[in-house]
Amino acid sequence: DGGITQSPKYLFRKEGQNVTLSCEQNLNHDAMYWYRQDPGQGLRLIYYSQIVNDFQKGDIAEGYSVSREKKESFPLTVTSAQKNPTAFYLCASSISAGRYEQYFGPGTRLTVT
Amino acid sequence: DQQVKQNSPSLSVQEGRISILNCDYTNSMFDYFLWYKKYPAEGPTFLISISSIKDKNEDGRFTVFLNKSAKHLSLHIVPSQPGDSAVYFCAAGGNQFYFGTGTSLTVIP
Repeated sequence: DGGITQSPKYLFRKEGQNVTLSCEQNLNHDAMYWYRQDPGQGLRLIYYSQIVNDFQKGDIAEGYSVSREKKESFPLTVTSAQKNPTAFYLCASSISAGRYEQYFGPGTRLTVT
Repeated sequence: DQQVKQNSPSLSVQEGRISILNCDYTNSMFDYFLWYKKYPAEGPTFLISISSIKDKNEDGRFTVFLNKSAKHLSLHIVPSQPGDSAVYFCAAGGNQFYFGTGTSLTVIP
């Protein structure tokens, strides 16, 4: 079955710790994305990658970092510099960047205390 | 500032009737539009899209209408079914997509 997997579904961390969220896709998509969802808000773009070894900042990249060493994988690191890291994080992919449908993973809920 | 707005946080509709979900955007450069359905604690599921060269796109019970001059799009679901109860997000953009805050649809059996 083709799709996007994110793990874990729930993640708990202490303030001041970096944490890495996993995102893997087997759809052979070139583009991958990370969004954040907060209560009462739409999805906001953190980072996106159009191809391997390339990524661009989205609207709220501060306090986050990514890598794209393989086509299938686009991990997101939430660093201690992120002031409000508690949120629902969604990874998505599309066949190419631009005017194409994005397909989402199930999400990871990160709670930092 | 929100570039994509869904001004109705919630909507209730009787089973079998039409559900109309609305979305407004501010940037006239946006030329591709998407609707997603989302259940709690899950990722959004793609429903239907429309490009700016069209004013209507239909897929089964789902139809999206685009009014470029008003910068407005709507999603019609006919007939509505209880399984349609979810949060619906619209997204607009081209190179990058901006998402609305969602409308929670409840279809009453």
